[in-house]
Amino acid sequence: QDLLVQSGAEVKRPGSSVTVSCKASRESFSNCAFSWLRQAPGQGLEWLGGVVPIYNRTNYPPTSGDFRAKVTITADESSATVYLALSSLTEDDTAVYYCASERAGSPTTFDPWGQGTLVTVSS
Amino acid sequence: QSALTQPASVSGSPGQTITISCIGTSDDIGAYHHVSWYQQHPGKIPKVVIFEVTNRPSGVSSRFSGSKSGNTAFLTISGLQVDDEADYYCCSYAGSRVFVALGGGTKVTVL
Repeated sequence: QDLLVQSGAEVKRPGSSVTVSCKASRESFSNCAFSWLRQAPGQGLEWLGGVVPIYNRTNYPPTSGDFRAKVTITADESSATVYLALSSLTEDDTAVYYCASERAGSPTTFDPWGQGTLVTVSS
Repeated sequence: QSALTQPASVSGSPGQTITISCIGTSDDIGAYHHVSWYQQHPGKIPKVVIFEVTNRPSGVSSRFSGSKSGNTAFLTISGLQVDDEADYYCCSYAGSRVFVALGGGTKVTVL
């Protein structure tokens, strides 16, 4: 089974930005879609958006303009890595961030998942 | 507020059968066969236990089964075991505008 390896934990100040990376195998990078989800402490899962690298297409949930301006998902073919960038961080962005690949032909079947990256926003 | 509605908690005794419901709409669960369920133990990453409504990944116990009726999906766990105690999330494809609908999660307790 393919593995997704995420970057390490981050501690950030309110108002700053953070980028979390997720490295996949070249085979899966060329054949799969990838999503980012997050889980705030004691809370459920939230889908932040996704990317299909072979089509260079990103998808985001139909949320408010402020949230959409906060989240940017990109993919780098040369390193088989997908990225999640978050700007204007607030304490509400404190969460574990997961990347996950989607099974081919099976949207929203997230498998496998990365190990998770804890992002803590604190002054 | 989650797009899909799950009960906050479900409990059962070892050996019993429990069912978790996941209520959506005609724009997500009712429209597509792309419903998945995830098990998450405390401090662990989510793990898919059911995909495409009824399919079970290799390595997942046959005690887990999925179904759908109209706008509602169901996860059934039979022969409940202590290790089944976890949070369970449902997820559905929701079309090319919304893409992903997630449930708020159900805590399963084995009494």
